[in-house]
This record gives sequence, C-alpha cells and structure tokens, in this order.
Amino acid sequence: AQKVTQAQTEISVVEKEDVTLDCVYETRDTTYYLFWYKQPPSGELVFLIRRNSFDEQNEISGRYSWNFQKSTSSFNFTITASQVVDSAVYFCALSEATGGFKTIFGAGTRLFVKA
Amino acid sequence: EAGVAQSPRYKIIEKRQSVAFWCNPISGHATLYWYQQILGQGPKLLIQFQNNGVVDDSQLPKDRFSAERLKGVDSTLKIQPAKLEDSAVYLCASSISGGAKNIQYFGAGTRLSVL
Repeated sequence: AQKVTQAQTEISVVEKEDVTLDCVYETRDTTYYLFWYKQPPSGELVFLIRRNSFDEQNEISGRYSWNFQKSTSSFNFTITASQVVDSAVYFCALSEATGGFKTIFGAGTRLFVKA
Repeated sequence: EAGVAQSPRYKIIEKRQSVAFWCNPISGHATLYWYQQILGQGPKLLIQFQNNGVVDDSQLPKDRFSAERLKGVDSTLKIQPAKLEDSAVYLCASSISGGAKNIQYFGAGTRLSVL
C-alpha cells in the first residue's frame, strides 16, 4: 500500500539558514512518481518538482535541491539560504503507475522562516 | 493562462444543512480532482474524474457526498447533510490527463466550517 511520511510537523529557522524537509515513502510498485508541493497561506498547492522512480539524479533549482534515494525510500528537500517568503506548508506526494494512479500526500511540514 | 477557479472561498453552515462547491479547471485539462484537507493533514482524494467519467471515488462518503462533472469541464461537489467532521478545506485540482506522472494544478480551495 502507498504511504508517505513527513515526520517533521513544524520547523522554524532564521532567515539565511539552510533547512531540509524529510520525506519517506512506501510502495510496492517499481514505477512511481514523487512530488513536492508548496502550500502558502493563500491556500493553493503549488507544484515544485516531480521525480520518477527510475531517475535518482539529484536536482537543483536555484535555492532548492532534492535528494532522491531509493535505497532508503526517501525524497528529501533542501532550501539553501532560506527566506521569509519560503514560509509555507510543504507536502511530499507519491503516485503509483498502477492501481488507478491515485496520489497520496504526506501530512505536510510547516516551515517558519523568521527575519 | 487562467488557473483553477473555485467558489465560494468560505462557507459556514450548521450541521444537517447542505452545501455545494464549484470548480472550473484549467482549460483543456481532462482530469479533475476533489480533495478534502482537514486542518493539519495532507489533502485526501475524494473523487477523480476523467472527462465526465468517474475514475476513483473509493474515499467519497457516498451517503452524504456527491459530485458531478456533466459536460467534462466544470464540476460541483455537494454535501447533504453536513456533519461537524466535514469541516475542512475542499480543494479542486486539474491535470492534462490522469496518469501517475501528471502534475496537478490546484485552486485556492473552499474553507467549510460546520457548526
């Protein structure tokens, strides 16, 4: 069965600190997709990144980077030099290629970045 | 490009009343999703449409919730009668198609309070 665990409920950092948000997933499928979404106070979830199960290359996009490790079933997200605008709830999600493609979201990590 | 539109943004009702939410997806998106997001949790899929057909409604409480997407474009989610535990944000999302790899684009949601 699909499962996504985001063990960190809330994280508080000071601006310019680096912060890593953890995501651990469970799946029996060999083909699946992992996502990160950001939910700012306005409410809508905003897509950040997608990774498929066959691509373990880490990715960097500006201050954001993602570390995908199949051996530990983890897909962690790091924000370098955090800014106040990064304050939001971040969700990790898993979608399997079989079983109807339903997307399962983790419970989210609320990030507070203080000036 | 216009995003996913939802209305109303907020709704307060008393238990046992009925309520309806409306969603207009991004133009050309075949797949539409309704999620329930309870405070402090990740979004949970209620129903997924592919055009005007239902792909997955396994987590929709069918004794009180109903949804339709008659012309394969906009959609309505209804709750009748509402219970206290239905207090949540109801998010609508759309994607180009329904495969596991597809990025979902979310609306700002409708925050429902049942008193």
